[in-house]
Amino acid sequence: SQTIHQWPATLVQPVGSPLSLECTVEGTSNPNLYWYRQAAGRGLQLLFYSVGIGQISSEVPQNLSASRPQDRQFILSSKKLLLSDSGFYLCAWSFRTWNEGDTEAFFGQGTRLTVV
Amino acid sequence: RKEVEQDPGPFNVPEGATVAFNCTYSNSASQSFFWYRQDCRKEPKLLMSVYSSGNEDGRFTAQLNRASQYISLLIRDSKLSDSATYLCVVNGGRDDKIIFGKGTRLHILP
Repeated sequence: SQTIHQWPATLVQPVGSPLSLECTVEGTSNPNLYWYRQAAGRGLQLLFYSVGIGQISSEVPQNLSASRPQDRQFILSSKKLLLSDSGFYLCAWSFRTWNEGDTEAFFGQGTRLTVV
Repeated sequence: RKEVEQDPGPFNVPEGATVAFNCTYSNSASQSFFWYRQDCRKEPKLLMSVYSSGNEDGRFTAQLNRASQYISLLIRDSKLSDSATYLCVVNGGRDDKIIFGKGTRLHILP
């Protein structure tokens, strides 16, 4: 069965420090991968979407970047964190059927980031 | 028009009542439809897929209306444990990613 791992679960970082969040998927190949951010009491904001190694689409301009160095690895990074980067970061995977686009997504447990 | 729209609520409903949510989507090419549930400070989890013919899972019934471009979720005999945020999800079409609505908050009152 497929599983998705995301770490760390919580993180407190000072303003201006770098960030690296990692997400890995097991039990499937060539998944589509997503990074979302959720501010307290708000909806999910799609940050990055990837359909393959090295293929990243950025959904919103921001202080963050993403990379996909391996098929089942998705990394979210920042060189210098801002206070506004605080939030709940979620990684998800889905797969694409040949005729229906992406199907349901499965989420990691998330990383709660507090920038201080 | 937003891609996926939901009433944010909150819906405050007494235990045992029936509650229904609607969600509208803007892309007529959307092919896949889902309802997710998100508990406070947790990741969203798939509640059910929504099929063209409608589908039911216990107390939950989901329906799709392609002509009017909306999906619905009906919860019967609501329980306190149903309190959560319910997210409507559609995909952008045959070659596209999934898109989440902002969610509808449901509070079941004892």
